[in-house]
Amino acid sequence: QLVLTQSPSVSASLGASVKLTCTLSSGHSSNAIAWHLQQPEKVPRFLMKLNSDGSHKKGDGIPDRFSGSSSGAERYLTISTLQSEDEADYYCQTWVTGIQVFGGGTKLTVL
Amino acid sequence: EVQLWESGGGLVQPGGSLRLSCAASGFTFSNYALSWVRQAPGKGLEWVATLSGSGYTTYYADSVKGRFSISRDNSKNTLYLQMNSLRADDTAVYYCAKDFCSGGSCYSISDQWGQGTLVTVSS
Repeated sequence: QLVLTQSPSVSASLGASVKLTCTLSSGHSSNAIAWHLQQPEKVPRFLMKLNSDGSHKKGDGIPDRFSGSSSGAERYLTISTLQSEDEADYYCQTWVTGIQVFGGGTKLTVL
Repeated sequence: EVQLWESGGGLVQPGGSLRLSCAASGFTFSNYALSWVRQAPGKGLEWVATLSGSGYTTYYADSVKGRFSISRDNSKNTLYLQMNSLRADDTAVYYCAKDFCSGGSCYSISDQWGQGTLVTVSS
């Protein structure tokens, strides 16, 4: 069964860096994923497609502060130089033929 | 600029029906698969259904299979979601989303989202 696991919450200080994790279920460690952010009361926004080798393609206008990396079944989103507007829910998404799956989301609090 | 604009949400009684629409612009509509994704109040994102660009291939989440039907009119650049036998746990904001394509390949992940339309199922 295809499942994405994310930590429910994480906090980090203004100006610091943070690394969010999305873990693919067993048997799906080669899947590419997408990262999305959703600021409070706003529409989700596509950040990037992240491949198993760590290569990624970002959406239009996504700042260089956002980057992706991979290791085994783990997919990471690193946000550097945190700003207040980075406080949001972050979701990962993946697929197999006929099914799309979202992770439960990670709420990032910027202190 | 890609734009997706949902409409058709509202209050409906349990067991009732509703039809959502998603009007699209800014891209070659028939070249892209489109999906419906929903978000219950205070909850995360849940994939609902996907329809290929041609309109011939459909996929549904188990939670809506047999009750919801996704369709499109490529001449009108519009995606639809017919929702029947609605239940309280279908209450959510419904987003339409476009598949991500790059380098000549397309992937079942969403790179553009509409603003959403709220469906409330309640007596």
